[in-house]
Amino acid sequence: GQSLEQPSEVTAVEGAIVQINCTYQTSGFYGLSWYQQHDGGAPTFLSYNALDGLEETGRFSSFLSRSDSYGYLLLQELQMKDSASYFCAVSGTYKYIFGTGTRLKVLA
Amino acid sequence: DVKVTQSSRYLVKRTGEKVFLECVQDMDHENMFWYRQDPGLGLRLIYFSYDVKMKEKGDIPEGYSVSREKKERFSLILESASTNQTSMYLCASSLFRGTSGVTPTYEQYFGPGTRLTVT
Repeated sequence: GQSLEQPSEVTAVEGAIVQINCTYQTSGFYGLSWYQQHDGGAPTFLSYNALDGLEETGRFSSFLSRSDSYGYLLLQELQMKDSASYFCAVSGTYKYIFGTGTRLKVLA
Repeated sequence: DVKVTQSSRYLVKRTGEKVFLECVQDMDHENMFWYRQDPGLGLRLIYFSYDVKMKEKGDIPEGYSVSREKKERFSLILESASTNQTSMYLCASSLFRGTSGVTPTYEQYFGPGTRLTVT
């Protein structure tokens, strides 16, 4: 079967660094994506990793290890506006399988 | 900017009614998707379509059907609404493949969602 696991909740303080892990089990793997969703909003794309290694986009970085079926999202210099849910998703030819999401709470 | 619109933000229907949720995208994307989102369960794929008049079942298609008569429009139909279909429904679209020389990211663009309540 196909499954993704990520923590349900993470709490950190403003200015800190937080890592959200994602392990997956799937066939037909093309890449690992991350989406952010604020309460009441639509998910928005953050990053995509098709190859092993680290991809950096501003304060956010995403890592993939295909051999370990594992990835993470790293958020640096946390801001209050980063409080949201973060979903990892594995992509196949046409479609995604989404994880259940990690709720990040940023404390002042 | 890609724009995905959904016909309603909030909808209240009665058990047994036939419900239509409409989704329109303006970026000429081949792929379109319908998800439902419930607390603790994440986004679950109901149906997707990779071309006009083509459709594929997702993980939870029971009780739903879809229609894609035009490339830009993807409709979700609840044939006979039930209370367990009360949920947030999200539509999304994506390119089939990247443009020449560009690795596809399969990025999905989501609509604002329709919160459906079935009473």
